[in-house]
Amino acid sequence: EDKVVQSPLSLVVHEGDTVTLNCSYEVTNFRSLLWYKQEKKAPTFLFMLTSSGIEKKSGRLSSILDKKELFSILNITATQTGDSAIYLCAGWGRGSARQLTFGSGTQLTVLP
Amino acid sequence: NAGVTQTPKFQVLKTGQSMTLQCAQDMNHEYMSWYRQDPGMGLRLIHYSVGAGITDQGEVPNGYNVSRSTTEDFPLRLLSAAPSQTSVYFCASSYSDRVETQYFGPGTRLLVL
Repeated sequence: EDKVVQSPLSLVVHEGDTVTLNCSYEVTNFRSLLWYKQEKKAPTFLFMLTSSGIEKKSGRLSSILDKKELFSILNITATQTGDSAIYLCAGWGRGSARQLTFGSGTQLTVLP
Repeated sequence: NAGVTQTPKFQVLKTGQSMTLQCAQDMNHEYMSWYRQDPGMGLRLIHYSVGAGITDQGEVPNGYNVSRSTTEDFPLRLLSAAPSQTSVYFCASSYSDRVETQYFGPGTRLLVL
């Protein structure tokens, strides 16, 4: 059974801090690892990582994948209150169900 | 484009009642999926469709039915609601096999008493 585990489950920081969110995965016929941001409503796509060691960046957010250790991290630098959200990672395997296996998410709260 | 739309936004049901959650997309996406999200858990796939007339089960299909008669619509039917089906339901759609293009609808919050 595919499994994705995120840590920590929740995190409270102050504006300006840097945070690292962790995601480990066990996904059959692994294809890609995806990160989403979920505020009040639907998840929105952040990154898709397919190759090891290649950092994806978007502004203050960056992410990297380690396919040997089955691990990904999401970094957020100079956090802002608008970064407060649940961050989800999901593993995508080349299985018959063509499905994403989601972790339980990290609840990030950024205080002013 | 309206993107992915879901109705209703919120619904209260009694145990044993049936209902249909509606999902529509106007992006001509082939793939559509239904997920449920429970507190402290990620999204779990209920059913999905790779095109009109083709559906398949996901991780947690029991108690739910789907059909895909058109590209645009993908309704989710609860046959006989149970309290365990209290959840937030998200519909999503994407181009073909490009999961990174997956757009999620705003969600339907369902409470089963």
